Amino acid sequence: GDSVTQTEGLVTLTEGLPVMLNCTYQSTYSPFLFWYVQHLNEAPKLLLKSFTDNKRPEHQGFHATLHKSSSSFHLQKSSAQLSDSALYYCAPDNAGAKLTFGGGTRLTVRP
Amino acid sequence: DPKIIQKPKYLVAVTGSEKILICEQYLGHNAMYWYRQSAKKPLEFMFSYSYQKLMDNQTASSRFQPQSSKKNHLDLQITALKPDDSATYFCASSPTGGTEVFFGKGTRLTVV
Repeated sequence: GDSVTQTEGLVTLTEGLPVMLNCTYQSTYSPFLFWYVQHLNEAPKLLLKSFTDNKRPEHQGFHATLHKSSSSFHLQKSSAQLSDSALYYCAPDNAGAKLTFGGGTRLTVRP
Repeated sequence: DPKIIQKPKYLVAVTGSEKILICEQYLGHNAMYWYRQSAKKPLEFMFSYSYQKLMDNQTASSRFQPQSSKKNHLDLQITALKPDDSATYFCASSPTGGTEVFFGKGTRLTVV
């Protein structure tokens, strides 16, 4: 079946350091890939999406490159900010009718 | 101005009772979904509907029944509530499957 594997659990960083959250996927099809972000007590919302191999979408300083050869869509940012503290979900959408999320990675950025 | 309205925002229910979670979207989307999020599990897909028809059901229990009276409505009826049902239930929608999904603010259900 289709699945994603994310960096497990909790990632804690100091403000200003680079961020990298891993995401690999298994899919029968060539999926769309998304990163969603959920801040505390808020709803999840789209952060990034990618449709083309080796294209690099960017938003709010975050970027992610889809590599079909390695089935990866890692989320990166050069310098973490306190406001980046949130839960991050990687999600492939290849079934047409649903979006399935990985286990989520909680990022905490400390001063 | 929220485009996906979920009611109520908070809900406390007694074990064994029945509740309906309301969801209306005003984005003109054709696909609607329910997700659940609890402390024990991450964001978990439950149901998807497209043009008011059930497309996918990943909920093992028949105690959870989606109800779509209109294209932009997808309520969730939960019967015989259990404490393990305590979670935040998110309604979501998208123009079609395979595109960005937009989430409502959720209903936080506590079963005591």
